[in-house]
Amino acid sequence: GAVVSQHPSWVICKSGTSVKIECRSLDFQATTMFWYRQFPKQSLMLMATSNEGSKATYEQGVEKDKFLINHASLTLSTLTVTSAHPEDSSFYICSARLGPSQPQHFGDGTRLSIL
Amino acid sequence: AQTVTQSQPEMSVQEAETVTLSCTYDTSESDYYLFWYKQPPSRQMILVIRQEAYKQQNATENRFSVNFQKAAKSFSLKISDSQLGDAAMYFCAYRILNSGNTPLVFGKGTRLSVIA
Repeated sequence: GAVVSQHPSWVICKSGTSVKIECRSLDFQATTMFWYRQFPKQSLMLMATSNEGSKATYEQGVEKDKFLINHASLTLSTLTVTSAHPEDSSFYICSARLGPSQPQHFGDGTRLSIL
Repeated sequence: AQTVTQSQPEMSVQEAETVTLSCTYDTSESDYYLFWYKQPPSRQMILVIRQEAYKQQNATENRFSVNFQKAAKSFSLKISDSQLGDAAMYFCAYRILNSGNTPLVFGKGTRLSVIA
């Protein structure tokens, strides 16, 4: 079946570092990818919707300059957490689908810990 | 705005018994999808079952079935013959069916414990 690969699965870094998370659709071309954030024992909160070849659409309250999203190809979207601080520590999950009526597939998530 | 409400933060069930998880949603749309996702401790999101709003017949997947009440905007999940591996967070989710890039909207989740 369709697979979405997310890398890295876990990253620990110092405050002020920028961290890039990759999301790849392995056996299908994803015109749309979604980035979610999940705090412990909470639900998934949509951060942004990225479309191949165009700017991402950010949800209200999500800082565009803090969370840079690039969707340069039909199989890759990246989320860069710039100048990360401890409050950015969270679980980030990407999701992708081929088209509007297609199922949405999830990556395994990235646990980000900022010291 | 669309919202999804799961009124049961936690539920428990005896192994081999049946449990029902509740979900209600609010929408003015007529065409949409509804989903139940399972998130075990590994935090992987696993699709359990999916229902198209235009279908009157309730979806079933082996031990998992839904009770879809469109007029009441209710979408409950029934797990039969519960197994230890069913223990997880369960999220109800909604998505508009259109030509745009509409995302999944999730409820807050229900934590299911299975007692041996």
